[in-house]
Amino acid sequence: DVKVTQSSRYLVKRTGEKVFLECVQDMDHENMFWYRQDPGLGLRLIYFSYDVKMKEKGDIPEGYSVSREKKERFSLILESASTNQTSMYLCASSLTQGGYGYTFGSGTRLTVV
Amino acid sequence: SQQGEEDPQALSIQEGENATMNCSYKTSINNLQWYRQNSGRGLVHLILIRSNEREKHSGRLRVTLDTSKKSSSLLITASRAADTASYFCATDGTGANNLFFGTGTRLTVIP
Repeated sequence: DVKVTQSSRYLVKRTGEKVFLECVQDMDHENMFWYRQDPGLGLRLIYFSYDVKMKEKGDIPEGYSVSREKKERFSLILESASTNQTSMYLCASSLTQGGYGYTFGSGTRLTVV
Repeated sequence: SQQGEEDPQALSIQEGENATMNCSYKTSINNLQWYRQNSGRGLVHLILIRSNEREKHSGRLRVTLDTSKKSSSLLITASRAADTASYFCATDGTGANNLFFGTGTRLTVIP
């Protein structure tokens, strides 16, 4: 069964900490995405990557960075966590050619205290 | 923003009834997709309809697309308690490499 795996389901971090959220897919997908989901705001794109070592900013990249050193792994980094980054983080992957859906991970609920 | 908007925000029906959710969007698209999200989990892809299609079926799901009105609807027939979830539409702007999601419709199916 094809999968997108996010390393943690729940995380609690302190303000100012550097936080790493990991995402791994086993489908050989070219594209990978990081979204955050907040009540009333839906899913908002943080960053995406269409190839190894490539990255593109989404709608809300401020306070975040990403790393894609291998095709199957896409990491989201919160350089200095703040309480307004408390959210559900969702990783997804897809093929490059259009007409296919995204495969999502189960999500990481991050709380910054 | 290219974000779609679902309507209604919340819907509560009895098991066995049909559920209809609507999605409106703002820009031209290549395709429109519907996803389901169970509480606290990731999204699951349900169905994709291309811009040159008007209707598509998958099991108990029926999706329609009206590109002239920039709208789509998702019909779930003979609903079950297990259909309780949030449903999102997602659109790709033509030339865009990523999807734009709406804020979702929360469906509750009462046994």
